Amino acid sequence: EAQLVESGGNLVQPGGSLRLACAASGFTFSGTWMSWVRRAPGKGLEWVANIKQDGSETAYVASVKGRFTISRDNAKNSLYLQMNSLRAEDTAVYYCASSVLTTLDSWGQGTLVTVSS
Amino acid sequence: DIVMTQFPLSLTVTPGEAASISCRSSQSLLKYNHLNWFLQRPGQSPQLLIYLGSNRASGVPDRFSGSGSGTDFTLKISRVEAEDVGVYYCMQALQTPITFGPGTKVDIK
Repeated sequence: EAQLVESGGNLVQPGGSLRLACAASGFTFSGTWMSWVRRAPGKGLEWVANIKQDGSETAYVASVKGRFTISRDNAKNSLYLQMNSLRAEDTAVYYCASSVLTTLDSWGQGTLVTVSS
Repeated sequence: DIVMTQFPLSLTVTPGEAASISCRSSQSLLKYNHLNWFLQRPGQSPQLLIYLGSNRASGVPDRFSGSGSGTDFTLKISRVEAEDVGVYYCMQALQTPITFGPGTKVDIK
């Protein structure tokens, strides 16, 4: 059974940076597309980014392009999200999700990012 | 981008009764119906219920069913139980950006 554990969420000032991490186990991480999804307070789910098995392809939602970078380390079974130039509207719980059988079939418990001065 | 809409946005159901949520995509999700349904219970992370339009995920009770094709999809709960409260989302995975519907909040009477 897939297990995903996010970390790195914190309170950060507008314009600041943060790096989220997701530790994966229970499945073949190197063979699986991975994604980050967020849910802002009072809002619905928003897909943020995904990355191909070998890291050769990435995609982002328009609102984070140029500011966020998704990456992975298959040797460490880990997924990352580098977030720069953070804005108040980036405040959300960030989830990592795997796509073993189908898109976003397993999710972590989430990590809270708060952007505020 | 593919826009996903859902209706109703809110639903209150009596335990044991049936419930139905509709989802519409702005473009056809093609032959394989790249449409998934998720439930996010209060305080929990989202859980996959249905994938490729009509396939129940592992461990999901058979009172949940998905149907539809092209641009119109439906999630049905045959007999709602107290544990089914939460927000239900449809999501298209045909192309990036992956997009979700706004969510349907289900409460129990």
